[in-house]
Amino acid sequence: EAAVTQSPRNKVAVTGGKVTLSCNQTNNHNNMYWYRQDTGHGLRLIHYSYGAGSTEKGDIPDGYKASRPSQENFSLILELATPSQTSVYFCASGDAGPDYAEQFFGPGTRLTVL
Amino acid sequence: GDSVTQTEGQVALSEEDFLTIHCNYSASGYPTLFWYVQYPGEGPQLLFRASRDKEKGSSRGFEATYDKGTTSFHLRKASVQESDSAVYYCALSDRGSNNRIFFGDGTQLVVKP
Repeated sequence: EAAVTQSPRNKVAVTGGKVTLSCNQTNNHNNMYWYRQDTGHGLRLIHYSYGAGSTEKGDIPDGYKASRPSQENFSLILELATPSQTSVYFCASGDAGPDYAEQFFGPGTRLTVL
Repeated sequence: GDSVTQTEGQVALSEEDFLTIHCNYSASGYPTLFWYVQYPGEGPQLLFRASRDKEKGSSRGFEATYDKGTTSFHLRKASVQESDSAVYYCALSDRGSNNRIFFGDGTQLVVKP
């Protein structure tokens, strides 16, 4: 069974502060992803990674950085948090077969920026 | 670019009603199509997938048929239960998508007892 964990599960931050969201997967998947989920927008891709040391920009990367120090860990970093970054953040891991990619999601982190 | 459109933002039904959630897609290649379900407080999880024209995917009483002609993958269930209340996402992935999955905006299903 795929296992993706996220920490913290809830976070309250102040405007201008630095926030780090962490994700760990035990599936040995090459690919990892960070999404945010907002009402009316569904899941929007922020950053993703093909393996340790790699990060790629998704559809909404502005204001976010990502770090993939190992196969298992993928972090999302908000250097200067803003209230517009209040959202629920999901990490996912997955691999690509010959025809399609699959993804397995973590339980999410609820971030509130005051 | 690849995209998925879900027509309904929210669907409200009573138990034993018939469910349809509409999904249409646009893709440059021949994509694999998915339905994901997200229960309150959890991350999305795969419901089922289909990879070929006319293939039917199904799970837990839900089903959808890949229709390449109409570029659709509509989700249906004959008789919904209160426990089906969740957000449903239609999604696609294809060989040219750099291992990405493209999600629709999601449909909130509320089933009243």
